[in-house]
Amino acid sequence: AQSVTQLDSQVPVFEEAPVELRCNYSSSVSVYLFWYVQYPNQGLQLLLKYLSGSTLVKGINGFEAEFNKSQTSFHLRKPSVHISDTAEYFCAVSDQYGGATNKLIFGTGTLLAVQP
Amino acid sequence: DVKVTQSSRYLVKRTGEKVFLECVQDMDHENMFWYRQDPGLGLRLIYFSYDVKMKEKGDIPEGYSVSREKKERFSLILESASTNQTSMYLCASSRRRTSGMETQYFGPGTRLLVL
Repeated sequence: AQSVTQLDSQVPVFEEAPVELRCNYSSSVSVYLFWYVQYPNQGLQLLLKYLSGSTLVKGINGFEAEFNKSQTSFHLRKPSVHISDTAEYFCAVSDQYGGATNKLIFGTGTLLAVQP
Repeated sequence: DVKVTQSSRYLVKRTGEKVFLECVQDMDHENMFWYRQDPGLGLRLIYFSYDVKMKEKGDIPEGYSVSREKKERFSLILESASTNQTSMYLCASSRRRTSGMETQYFGPGTRLLVL
């Protein structure tokens, strides 16, 4: 069974500063990895995903994440954040042999609070 | 663009009531999912469906049932609502996985308060 750990429940950061949101996963099989973003009072939107190939994945809104198999991590980064990046960010994992249903296991989320 | 809609954004119900949450997607997706989202717990899968009339339990199915009579519609049913079912409910849909991984698309959520 897979699990996802987001150790930081909240990350405060000043506008234009860099940010890293941490995600570690546990799985006995190969996995696909995702970051979703949830803006206030909205559903989840896919930010980026790692399926295979290059371990550095670029997503929307200037975010990127790096898959590190040896450390079982998939940290999300942005070099310069904006007020509009204030949202909750969820890391998720799916095993590569999960059949036709694309089941996802989510972390508990990290609230990114960007301050002026 | 994929569109997943949920029948209500906010809902207030009384303990013991039967509650229906509706979800509709317009992209002919085979898979549909119901999650609940609680602070500090993230998203937890309640039920999912991989075809019409087909369903499987997720991680927390107790107290819930589902119905999928048409491909585009997936309903979550609280047979007898309880206060511990106060939560945000999110619906998602995706294509059937053939190779690789299909993205799940989410609706805006229904915030349910059970009094």
